[in-house]
Amino acid sequence: GQNIDQPTEMTATEGAIVQINCTYQTSGFNGLFWYQQHAGEAPTFLSYNVLDGLEEKGRFSSFLSRSKGYSYLLLKELQMKDSASYLCAVRGTLNAGNNRKLIWGLGTSLAVNP
Amino acid sequence: DGGITQSPKYLFRKEGQNVTLSCEQNLNHDAMYWYRQDPGQGLRLIYYSQIVNDFQKGDIAEGYSVSREKKESFPLTVTSAQKNPTAFYLCASSMTGPDEKLFFGSGTQLSVL
Repeated sequence: GQNIDQPTEMTATEGAIVQINCTYQTSGFNGLFWYQQHAGEAPTFLSYNVLDGLEEKGRFSSFLSRSKGYSYLLLKELQMKDSASYLCAVRGTLNAGNNRKLIWGLGTSLAVNP
Repeated sequence: DGGITQSPKYLFRKEGQNVTLSCEQNLNHDAMYWYRQDPGQGLRLIYYSQIVNDFQKGDIAEGYSVSREKKESFPLTVTSAQKNPTAFYLCASSMTGPDEKLFFGSGTQLSVL
């Protein structure tokens, strides 16, 4: 079957660094996305990885290892507004409808404390 | 400003009633999607459309219907056949390239009276 695992909850302190892990088992791989979702709001795009390595974008970085089926999202200089749910999603193989289906993790709820 | 708009923000459904959730985008995206989000569960795909006048069932299409008569619009009808409709519904759109990311609307919370 296809599966994405993320920790359910994490807690960190303002100004610190936190790493949110995502492991996946999917039929095929065509990219991994990270989204941020504040409670009651829409998810917003953070990062996309399709090749192995680290992608850096300001305070946020995302890493991918395709051989290990593993990714992480690194948040630096944490701010209170970073308290949100972080969703990992993997694009699998093309299906019959020529659509690369996204498989979503359950999300990691991050609480940033003062 | 370009974006994707969902309405209403909150919606209540009576037993046996059909309700329609609106989704409009002015991003000129070809693909549009409807997801359902329940507490403790990941996003689940209801329907998607990659082109006008064509749409495909997702993983949980039973009890729902959609139309795609215009590129900008992808309304979702929750029919009386959907026995557990209470959820947060998210509409999204994207380009159709290999690394296309989803842009989401602000969501509709549907509850049963």
